[in-house]
Amino acid sequence: GENVEQHPSTLSVQEGDSAVIKCTYSDSASNYFPWYKQELGKRPQLIIDIRSNVGEKKDQRIAVTLNKTAKHFSLHITETQPEDSAVYFCAASIQGFQKLVFGTGTRLLVSP
Amino acid sequence: KAGVTQTPRYLIKTRGQQVTLSCSPISGHRSVSWYQQTPGQGLQFLFEYFSETQRNKGNFPGRFSGRQFSNSRSEMNVSTLELGDSALYLCASSYTGAATNEKLFFGSGTQLSVL
Repeated sequence: GENVEQHPSTLSVQEGDSAVIKCTYSDSASNYFPWYKQELGKRPQLIIDIRSNVGEKKDQRIAVTLNKTAKHFSLHITETQPEDSAVYFCAASIQGFQKLVFGTGTRLLVSP
Repeated sequence: KAGVTQTPRYLIKTRGQQVTLSCSPISGHRSVSWYQQTPGQGLQFLFEYFSETQRNKGNFPGRFSGRQFSNSRSEMNVSTLELGDSALYLCASSYTGAATNEKLFFGSGTQLSVL
């Protein structure tokens, strides 16, 4: 079955720096890759997603890149702010939302 | 539009008991999926329902079961609870679970503690 590896497990940056989180998936048939942000005690919130027919997608300070050949995708956050501090999860899916396989999460800490 | 609603928010049970968790999807959403979140294992897929039918199932024992009603509301049941079942159980919904332009929205979860 699909397996998703996520690195790093923790990431500390200074406010204004950029943060990059990387994920690798195993099943080349995966075609949907969402990223979720989960603040302490709250539900996971979709922040950006990308599908396999697109190489890059941007939304203000957040961008996701996908390399299908290498089977990895990355989340880029620029000009980080303290409110970006949270756990970020990547996921991959072959069948739309019928079954998302999540990475183990990255705890991002942005220090003022 | 109301979000995905899960009840109860917190639950404490003892080993051997059974528990039923409820999920009401966003209005109009017909696909409901369930995930177990633990500090050690992260988010793991349990099962997904669409039009009262289970379409996909994760690698969990048969003690974990679910169902979906005609109004798309879903319940999951865990029988013969074990200590390791302590987790946050998250429900998520989308319109069909298959269209290329859909989004998946999560509820706030039910925190289950097994003593």
